[in-house]
Amino acid sequence: AQSVTQLGSHVSVSEGALVLLRCNYSSSVPPYLFWYVQYPNQGLQLLLKYTTGATLVKGINGFEAEFKKSETSFHLTKPSAHMSDAAEYFCAVSDRVAGNKLTFGGGTRVLVKP
Amino acid sequence: SAVISQKPSRDICQRGTSLTIQCQVDSQVTMMFWYRQQPGQSLTLIATANQGSEATYESGFVIDKFPISRPNLTFSTLTVSNMSPEDSSIYLCSAPKAPGLETQYFGPGTRLLVL
Repeated sequence: AQSVTQLGSHVSVSEGALVLLRCNYSSSVPPYLFWYVQYPNQGLQLLLKYTTGATLVKGINGFEAEFKKSETSFHLTKPSAHMSDAAEYFCAVSDRVAGNKLTFGGGTRVLVKP
Repeated sequence: SAVISQKPSRDICQRGTSLTIQCQVDSQVTMMFWYRQQPGQSLTLIATANQGSEATYESGFVIDKFPISRPNLTFSTLTVSNMSPEDSSIYLCSAPKAPGLETQYFGPGTRLLVL
């Protein structure tokens, strides 16, 4: 069975500071990895994903994440936080069967201070 | 990305009643998924809706409580039956999108409050 752990349910950053959200997974085989963002009162939007190839992946809104197999991690970063980044972020994994179900981490709520 | 719509967007219901949530995808997909997001929590998969066969439920979810229909390749419904306040949640549907089908796209969710 797969599992996802997000370290820190809440993160507070200053505008312009680095955003770092941690995600570790457990899976018997290398999974597909995803980060989703949920803005208040909205559904989930895909930020970025890793399926194969280059381990550093870039997504929307200036976010990027690096897949580290040895550490079973997929941490999300953004060099400079913007007020519009305030949202909840979910890390998720699925096995390598196309269209398969997702297992989510607990989520990290990001607060951006002016 | 896929365009997925849900109806209703929100509802307030009385305990003991049932609500049916609709999910429409803008293209044909083999599998659709239904998730629950309880207040302040992450998403939990309820079931996988397969066209032409019975839905597959995750541990802790049963068909009598959450019956699902999948009449064609672009549409599914989830019914929350005999509701109690503990069913107050956001219910989201998702579907994978071509070309690779590895990425799930989500609908905007249905916000349900049970009084």
